[in-house]
Amino acid sequence: AQSVAQPEDQVNVAEGNPLTVKCTYSVSGNPYLFWYVQYPNRGLQFLLKYITGDNLVKGSYGFEAEFNKSQTSFHLKKPSALVSDSALYFCAVRDQYNFNKFYFGSGTKLNVKP
Amino acid sequence: EADIYQTPRYLVIGTGKKITLECSQTMGHDKMYWYQQDPGMELHLIHYSYGVNSTEKGDLSSESTVSRIRTEHFPLTLESARPSHTSQYLCASTTQGENTEAFFGQGTRLTVV
Repeated sequence: AQSVAQPEDQVNVAEGNPLTVKCTYSVSGNPYLFWYVQYPNRGLQFLLKYITGDNLVKGSYGFEAEFNKSQTSFHLKKPSALVSDSALYFCAVRDQYNFNKFYFGSGTKLNVKP
Repeated sequence: EADIYQTPRYLVIGTGKKITLECSQTMGHDKMYWYQQDPGMELHLIHYSYGVNSTEKGDLSSESTVSRIRTEHFPLTLESARPSHTSQYLCASTTQGENTEAFFGQGTRLTVV
Protein backbone atom coordinates (compact mmCIF):
# COMPACT_ATOMS: atom_id res chain seq x y z
CA ALA A 1 0.00 0.00 0.00
CA GLN A 2 1.13 3.52 -0.75
CA SER A 3 1.98 5.75 2.18
CA VAL A 4 4.00 8.79 3.14
CA ALA A 5 5.53 9.59 6.51
CA GLN A 6 6.68 12.94 7.78
CA PRO A 7 8.26 12.05 11.12
CA GLU A 8 8.46 15.59 12.49
CA ASP A 9 5.34 17.54 13.41
CA GLN A 10 7.41 20.69 13.73
CA VAL A 11 10.85 21.92 12.70
CA ASN A 12 12.42 25.00 14.23
CA VAL A 13 15.34 26.79 12.58
CA ALA A 14 16.99 30.18 12.85
CA GLU A 15 16.89 32.54 9.90
CA GLY A 16 19.94 32.10 7.69
CA ASN A 17 20.52 28.50 8.77
CA PRO A 18 19.94 25.53 6.49
CA LEU A 19 16.67 23.65 6.87
CA THR A 20 15.58 20.09 6.23
CA VAL A 21 12.04 18.71 6.32
CA LYS A 22 11.97 14.93 6.21
CA CYS A 23 9.78 12.60 4.16
CA THR A 24 9.83 8.85 3.61
CA TYR A 25 7.50 6.90 1.35
CA SER A 26 6.26 3.45 0.46
CA VAL A 27 4.89 2.56 -3.00
CA SER A 28 4.45 -0.51 -5.17
CA GLY A 29 6.22 0.75 -8.27
CA ASN A 30 8.35 3.71 -9.23
CA PRO A 31 7.43 6.74 -7.13
CA TYR A 32 6.44 10.19 -8.25
CA LEU A 33 7.16 12.52 -5.33
CA PHE A 34 5.94 16.03 -4.62
CA TRP A 35 6.37 18.78 -2.06
CA TYR A 36 3.69 21.37 -1.31
CA VAL A 37 3.58 24.39 1.00
CA GLN A 38 0.51 25.76 2.75
CA TYR A 39 0.21 29.22 4.27
CA PRO A 40 -2.56 29.98 6.82
CA ASN A 41 -6.08 29.80 5.41
CA ARG A 42 -4.81 28.98 1.94
CA GLY A 43 -4.71 25.95 -0.32
CA LEU A 44 -1.59 23.97 -1.07
CA GLN A 45 1.01 25.40 -3.43
CA PHE A 46 3.25 23.13 -5.49
CA LEU A 47 6.99 23.48 -4.76
CA LEU A 48 8.74 20.72 -6.68
CA LYS A 49 8.55 17.13 -7.87
CA TYR A 50 10.73 14.14 -8.61
CA ILE A 51 9.80 11.99 -11.58
CA THR A 52 13.05 10.49 -12.82
CA GLY A 53 16.65 11.49 -13.48
CA ASP A 54 18.81 13.57 -11.14
CA ASN A 55 18.27 12.78 -7.49
CA LEU A 56 18.52 16.47 -6.55
CA VAL A 57 15.47 18.40 -7.67
CA LYS A 58 15.27 22.19 -7.58
CA GLY A 59 11.99 24.01 -7.11
CA SER A 60 10.36 27.29 -6.23
CA TYR A 61 11.60 29.85 -3.67
CA GLY A 62 15.09 28.32 -3.44
CA PHE A 63 13.88 24.94 -2.19
CA GLU A 64 15.36 21.67 -3.34
CA ALA A 65 14.78 18.03 -2.48
CA GLU A 66 16.94 14.95 -2.56
CA PHE A 67 15.55 11.63 -3.71
CA ASN A 68 17.18 8.58 -2.11
CA LYS A 69 15.85 5.32 -3.49
CA SER A 70 17.67 3.02 -1.06
CA GLN A 71 16.34 4.93 1.94
CA THR A 72 12.95 5.62 0.28
CA SER A 73 13.28 9.25 1.27
CA PHE A 74 12.62 12.61 -0.34
CA HIS A 75 13.77 15.28 2.09
CA LEU A 76 13.10 18.96 1.42
CA LYS A 77 16.02 21.33 1.90
CA LYS A 78 16.98 24.96 1.67
CA PRO A 79 20.50 26.32 2.23
CA SER A 80 19.41 29.49 4.04
CA ALA A 81 16.00 29.78 5.71
CA LEU A 82 13.88 32.92 5.64
CA VAL A 83 11.24 33.96 8.18
CA SER A 84 8.77 33.99 5.29
CA ASP A 85 9.39 30.24 4.80
CA SER A 86 7.40 29.59 7.98
CA ALA A 87 4.43 27.48 6.87
CA LEU A 88 3.09 23.93 6.66
CA TYR A 89 4.88 21.56 4.32
CA PHE A 90 3.38 18.42 2.84
CA CYS A 91 5.08 15.57 1.05
CA ALA A 92 2.99 13.52 -1.41
CA VAL A 93 3.48 10.44 -3.57
CA ARG A 94 1.86 8.75 -6.54
CA ASP A 95 3.10 5.53 -8.12
CA GLN A 96 3.18 4.19 -11.64
CA TYR A 97 0.55 1.51 -10.94
CA ASN A 98 -1.94 3.56 -8.98
CA PHE A 99 -1.51 7.13 -10.05
CA ASN A 100 -5.12 8.21 -9.71
CA LYS A 101 -4.58 9.24 -6.11
CA PHE A 102 -2.09 11.39 -4.28
CA TYR A 103 -1.03 10.14 -0.85
CA PHE A 104 -0.09 12.96 1.50
CA GLY A 105 2.00 12.96 4.63
CA SER A 106 0.65 14.40 7.85
CA GLY A 107 2.46 17.70 7.35
CA THR A 108 5.37 19.44 9.07
CA LYS A 109 5.13 22.91 10.52
CA LEU A 110 8.28 24.90 9.80
CA ASN A 111 9.08 27.77 12.16
CA VAL A 112 11.88 30.10 11.13
CA LYS A 113 12.90 32.45 13.93
CA PRO A 114 14.53 35.84 13.21
CA GLU B 1 -1.38 30.99 -10.28
CA ALA B 2 -3.46 27.86 -10.85
CA ASP B 3 -6.97 28.44 -12.12
CA ILE B 4 -9.01 26.50 -9.64
CA TYR B 5 -11.58 28.30 -7.58
CA GLN B 6 -13.55 27.44 -4.49
CA THR B 7 -16.54 29.28 -3.10
CA PRO B 8 -17.33 30.30 -0.51
CA ARG B 9 -14.00 30.81 1.25
CA TYR B 10 -15.66 30.85 4.67
CA LEU B 11 -19.08 29.57 5.70
CA VAL B 12 -20.80 29.48 9.07
CA ILE B 13 -24.06 27.56 9.02
CA GLY B 14 -26.55 26.06 11.42
CA THR B 15 -27.00 22.37 12.14
CA GLY B 16 -29.34 20.59 9.76
CA LYS B 17 -28.86 22.96 6.83
CA LYS B 18 -28.06 21.73 3.34
CA ILE B 19 -24.91 23.21 1.84
CA THR B 20 -22.99 22.97 -1.41
CA LEU B 21 -19.32 23.82 -1.68
CA GLU B 22 -18.36 24.90 -5.18
CA CYS B 23 -15.17 24.01 -7.02
CA SER B 24 -14.37 25.02 -10.59
CA GLN B 25 -11.25 24.78 -12.71
CA THR B 26 -10.50 26.30 -16.09
CA MET B 27 -7.52 24.10 -16.97
CA GLY B 28 -9.49 21.30 -18.63
CA HIS B 29 -8.24 18.77 -16.08
CA ASP B 30 -9.99 15.40 -16.08
CA LYS B 31 -9.19 14.40 -12.50
CA MET B 32 -10.58 16.29 -9.54
CA TYR B 33 -10.39 15.67 -5.80
CA TRP B 34 -11.93 16.78 -2.52
CA TYR B 35 -9.84 16.67 0.63
CA GLN B 36 -10.90 17.33 4.21
CA GLN B 37 -8.21 18.90 6.33
CA ASP B 38 -8.19 18.44 10.10
CA PRO B 39 -7.34 21.28 12.45
CA GLY B 40 -4.23 19.24 13.13
CA MET B 41 -3.21 19.62 9.49
CA GLU B 42 -3.59 16.13 7.98
CA LEU B 43 -5.32 15.84 4.58
CA HIS B 44 -7.92 13.13 4.00
CA LEU B 45 -9.23 12.24 0.54
CA ILE B 46 -13.03 12.10 0.66
CA HIS B 47 -14.03 12.06 -3.05
CA TYR B 48 -12.44 11.98 -6.46
CA SER B 49 -13.44 11.92 -10.09
CA TYR B 50 -11.71 10.68 -13.25
CA GLY B 51 -13.97 12.68 -15.55
CA VAL B 52 -17.55 13.56 -16.38
CA ASN B 53 -20.10 11.24 -14.74
CA SER B 54 -17.35 9.45 -12.81
CA THR B 55 -17.10 9.81 -9.03
CA GLU B 56 -15.51 7.63 -6.37
CA LYS B 57 -15.38 7.69 -2.60
CA GLY B 58 -12.02 8.42 -1.06
CA ASP B 59 -10.14 6.89 1.81
CA LEU B 60 -12.04 8.75 4.54
CA SER B 61 -15.72 7.99 4.89
CA SER B 62 -17.79 11.11 4.44
CA GLU B 63 -21.48 11.92 4.59
CA SER B 64 -21.03 14.34 1.72
CA THR B 65 -21.83 13.63 -1.92
CA VAL B 66 -20.34 14.93 -5.16
CA SER B 67 -21.32 15.21 -8.79
CA ARG B 68 -19.39 15.74 -12.03
CA ILE B 69 -21.75 16.82 -14.77
CA ARG B 70 -19.22 19.11 -16.43
CA THR B 71 -15.45 18.75 -16.67
CA GLU B 72 -14.80 22.06 -14.99
CA HIS B 73 -17.20 21.73 -12.07
CA PHE B 74 -17.04 19.38 -9.03
CA PRO B 75 -19.41 20.50 -6.27
CA LEU B 76 -19.62 18.86 -2.86
CA THR B 77 -22.95 18.70 -1.00
CA LEU B 78 -23.86 18.05 2.61
CA GLU B 79 -27.58 17.30 2.91
CA SER B 80 -27.71 17.99 6.64
CA ALA B 81 -24.75 19.74 8.20
CA ARG B 82 -23.55 18.77 11.68
CA PRO B 83 -20.88 20.24 13.97
CA SER B 84 -18.68 17.21 13.19
CA HIS B 85 -18.50 18.50 9.59
CA THR B 86 -16.63 21.58 10.75
CA SER B 87 -13.36 21.51 8.84
CA GLN B 88 -11.43 22.94 5.93
CA TYR B 89 -12.33 21.47 2.54
CA LEU B 90 -9.77 21.59 -0.27
CA CYS B 91 -10.47 20.93 -3.94
CA ALA B 92 -7.73 19.91 -6.36
CA SER B 93 -7.33 18.90 -10.00
CA THR B 94 -4.74 17.32 -12.24
CA THR B 95 -4.32 16.04 -15.77
CA GLN B 96 -4.51 12.39 -16.81
CA GLY B 97 -0.72 12.10 -16.77
CA GLU B 98 0.75 9.89 -14.05
CA ASN B 99 3.55 12.22 -13.02
CA THR B 100 1.80 15.57 -12.98
CA GLU B 101 1.24 17.64 -9.89
CA ALA B 102 -2.14 18.57 -8.46
CA PHE B 103 -3.37 22.15 -8.35
CA PHE B 104 -5.32 23.23 -5.28
CA GLY B 105 -8.01 25.78 -4.68
CA GLN B 106 -7.85 28.22 -1.77
CA GLY B 107 -10.12 26.07 0.36
CA THR B 108 -13.47 26.52 2.11
CA ARG B 109 -13.45 26.77 5.87
CA LEU B 110 -16.78 25.41 7.08
CA THR B 111 -18.10 25.94 10.59
CA VAL B 112 -21.35 24.26 11.62
CA VAL B 113 -22.89 25.68 14.79
